[in-house]
Amino acid sequence: GQGVEQPAKLMSVEGTFARVNCTYSTSGFNGLSWYQQREGQAPVFLSYVVLDGLKDSGHFSTFLSRSNGYSYLLLTELQIKDSASYLCAVRVRTGGYKVVFGSGTRLLVSP
Amino acid sequence: GALVYQYPRRTICKSGTSMRMECQAVGFQATSVAWYRQSPQKTFELIALSTVNSAIKYEQNFTQEKFPISHPNLSFSSMTVLNAYLEDRGLYLCGVRTGGNTEVFFGKGTRLTVV
Repeated sequence: GQGVEQPAKLMSVEGTFARVNCTYSTSGFNGLSWYQQREGQAPVFLSYVVLDGLKDSGHFSTFLSRSNGYSYLLLTELQIKDSASYLCAVRVRTGGYKVVFGSGTRLLVSP
Repeated sequence: GALVYQYPRRTICKSGTSMRMECQAVGFQATSVAWYRQSPQKTFELIALSTVNSAIKYEQNFTQEKFPISHPNLSFSSMTVLNAYLEDRGLYLCGVRTGGNTEVFFGKGTRLTVV
């Protein structure tokens, strides 16, 4: 089957960093995306990675290891407003393409 | 920019009844529309994927008999929850992609409450 796993919660402190982990077990892997979702809102696209390594996008960085089925989203210089859920989504090739989401990690940034 | 509207935003239905929700893409043509359900426990499940010129593919545990979907053109899709029960509660999200893009654009969802 297609499985995407994330820890349910993560807490961190303003001004520091947070790393949101994601592990996946899928066939036909064709890239991994991260989304941010605020309460009651639609998920918003942050980043897409398909090659191994670290992709630096400033406030957000993403890492991928395809051989380990592992990715993380790294948020640096945290602000209170970064408190939200972060969803990991794996793109799978199945004839066409489909996107399978993890259940999300709720990040709480405290002062 | 790419906008996805979902209607209604919230709905309450009695157990055993049905309700229909709609998804409209504005400003772009959707080549695929995926319907997801985000449960009260925050589980994010893919219900079905509808791709232009292909049959609608339902995920395990979801069937066309329970969640019939219509995707008549490149900008509109609708899904009905038939015979809704408590386990059908949640936020139903429509995720739209265009062409070969990897980004999924979401609507704000339809929140279904079953009483």
